[in-house]
Amino acid sequence: DIQMTQSPSSLSASVGDSVTITCQASHDIKKYLNWYQQRPGKAPKLLIYDALHLERGVPSRFSGSGSGAHFSFTISSLQPEDTATYYCQHYDSFSNTFGQGTKVEIK
Amino acid sequence: EVQLVESGGGLAQPGGSLRLSCSVSGFSFDHHAMHWVRQAPGRGLQSVAAISNDGGSTYYADSMRGRVTISRDNSRSTLYLQMTSLRVEDTAVYHCVRVPDGGLAVGYFDYWGQGTLITVSS
Repeated sequence: DIQMTQSPSSLSASVGDSVTITCQASHDIKKYLNWYQQRPGKAPKLLIYDALHLERGVPSRFSGSGSGAHFSFTISSLQPEDTATYYCQHYDSFSNTFGQGTKVEIK
Repeated sequence: EVQLVESGGGLAQPGGSLRLSCSVSGFSFDHHAMHWVRQAPGRGLQSVAAISNDGGSTYYADSMRGRVTISRDNSRSTLYLQMTSLRVEDTAVYHCVRVPDGGLAVGYFDYWGQGTLITVSS
């Protein structure tokens, strides 16, 4: 099974800062990596699919990059409403694996 | 508006059974594969099961394989998860999730329900 290692587990930054989360796969997963946002008490929401494609309606301050085994997710200008936990997810044929999550807080 | 509404959660005893339902609206249910994803309190996300748009193909994650059955009724736009031999560690919020296409091998979850909480405890 492919393991997904997400880091950091939490971060705190100021409004307007750029923050980056990384996700490393135990094997080459090509481009099959998605990113979700889960606000407190809410269901997860798709932000980025296939490593770099922005889901419809998602603000452009969110972006993703990477391929193979190393991926990153960036919020270019952190906003108060971005307080949430962010998860990466690998999908391969039928199975899928989530990273452990990164909790993002505003200083 | 796409909506996915889960029901059927609650308190169950270890070894017991529950059936979850997910009623959907706002899209053509029979065009989309569906998944169940769970989240234990304060923990991350874990896939449970998946079913193709026509119900002809299913997939079960190791976490609950042999103890759950996923099914769907396209005439009622409803997804189900039959759970048996429940364990304390199955305590979680169970989300109904849509994928954008009909097959199982599609890469991302584009809509999620709010989830229904199952608590397994004696």
